[in-house]
Amino acid sequence: ILNVEQSPQSLHVQEGDSTNFTCSFPSSNFYALHWYRWETAKSPEALFVMTLNGDEKKKGRISATLNTKEGYSYLYIKGSQPEDSATYLCAIPGGATNKLIFGTGTLLAVQP
Amino acid sequence: GAVVSQHPSWVICKSGTSVKIECRSLDFQATTMFWYRQFPKQSLMLMATSNEGSKATYEQGVEKDKFLINHASLTLSTLTVTSAHPEDSSFYICSATAGKETQYFGPGTRLLVL
Repeated sequence: ILNVEQSPQSLHVQEGDSTNFTCSFPSSNFYALHWYRWETAKSPEALFVMTLNGDEKKKGRISATLNTKEGYSYLYIKGSQPEDSATYLCAIPGGATNKLIFGTGTLLAVQP
Repeated sequence: GAVVSQHPSWVICKSGTSVKIECRSLDFQATTMFWYRQFPKQSLMLMATSNEGSKATYEQGVEKDKFLINHASLTLSTLTVTSAHPEDSSFYICSATAGKETQYFGPGTRLLVL
């Protein structure tokens, strides 16, 4: 059974702080890692799809790195803003049907 | 682009009734749609995968006669919770993909069964 773990479960930061959180996954048979942002009352939004070891992707103030050999990915947010408050989910493919196995997410709250 | 809608956004029903939830891809053709369920403080749990024109593939432990999935067109999939009971109260969310890896999610449906 594939297991995806995220830490911390929740995080409270002040506006302007930079922050990061972790997604851990099985390193064997790695194919891809997905990051999503899920704001309250909205649809989860795809942030990144990462496939190569050492990959680093960036979208505005958000960036992510990938280590497939040790089985983890970091998501960084530089200069957090209140609008960054959301649950950040990571997921890996779970089989031949393109299904995704999700972690429990990291809930980020950015206080003004 | 890649917008998925879900209707209704919330529903309250009496125990024993059936509830239908619709998932639509608004600006693309979805070859595959997924249905997830989320319990409080838990992850999104995949219930089933549906491909247009074929029977859905259910995950282990999900009753296919309880959760009927129909994917009649490339833009619409429905989930019907039959004979709903209070333990079916949950958050249901769908996603759609056009054959590539990224899944595009609807906003979800909160179901409360009294």
